[in-house]
Amino acid sequence: SQQGEEDPQALSIQEGENATMNCSYKTSINNLQWYRQNSGRGLVHLILIRSNEREKHSGRLRVTLDTSKKSSSLLITASRAADTASYFCATPLNRDDKIIFGKGTRLHILP
Amino acid sequence: NAGVTQTPKFQVLKTGQSMTLQCAQDMNHNSMYWYRQDPGMGLRLIYYSASEGTTDKGEVPNGYNVSRLNKREFSLRLESAAPSQTSVYFCASIPSGSSYNEQFFGPGTRLTVL
Repeated sequence: SQQGEEDPQALSIQEGENATMNCSYKTSINNLQWYRQNSGRGLVHLILIRSNEREKHSGRLRVTLDTSKKSSSLLITASRAADTASYFCATPLNRDDKIIFGKGTRLHILP
Repeated sequence: NAGVTQTPKFQVLKTGQSMTLQCAQDMNHNSMYWYRQDPGMGLRLIYYSASEGTTDKGEVPNGYNVSRLNKREFSLRLESAAPSQTSVYFCASIPSGSSYNEQFFGPGTRLTVL
């Protein structure tokens, strides 16, 4: 089974609203990463948060990590049409460099 | 720099045929990965290579073999293709054998097995 699981599987919001998606994982990790995938393309790295960090910001992105609950959230503020994509969390398996992805959240920004 | 390149971009095979998917990176990265992506399943790790000359199984290695030919190239071989291997295949690389690095992805190979 996969290490990370995103929730919800799909999300549609109006442009300008905030979008929140969550990731739960199973084993101890030393970091967690979020990636974006535009339709039919490869993944692009968004942000990495280390296990000793609780929150991290990058532009309109805010990521939180709760290691006690084995969960992370990605918040995109003031969404834009260009944010329409699938978002994946990725974690190293067994704390090494085998990087495992969740199933993703499909985000659709409505005009 | 071209980054991570994959060939071919599209391929159609018949059941039982074999083929090799090619991946190359020009960023002097040590670690390389092969993933497959099926609808609704996200990316699943097939094999990875922490450094030249080493390979390791991922989540779904059955039916595949890999070769880390040199530091730049990491190929994925299907010896006897099956319809269940119809998928989009992505190659990725990171600078070192550490999960604290972002992965750089290729554009993908769309494979259909009839």
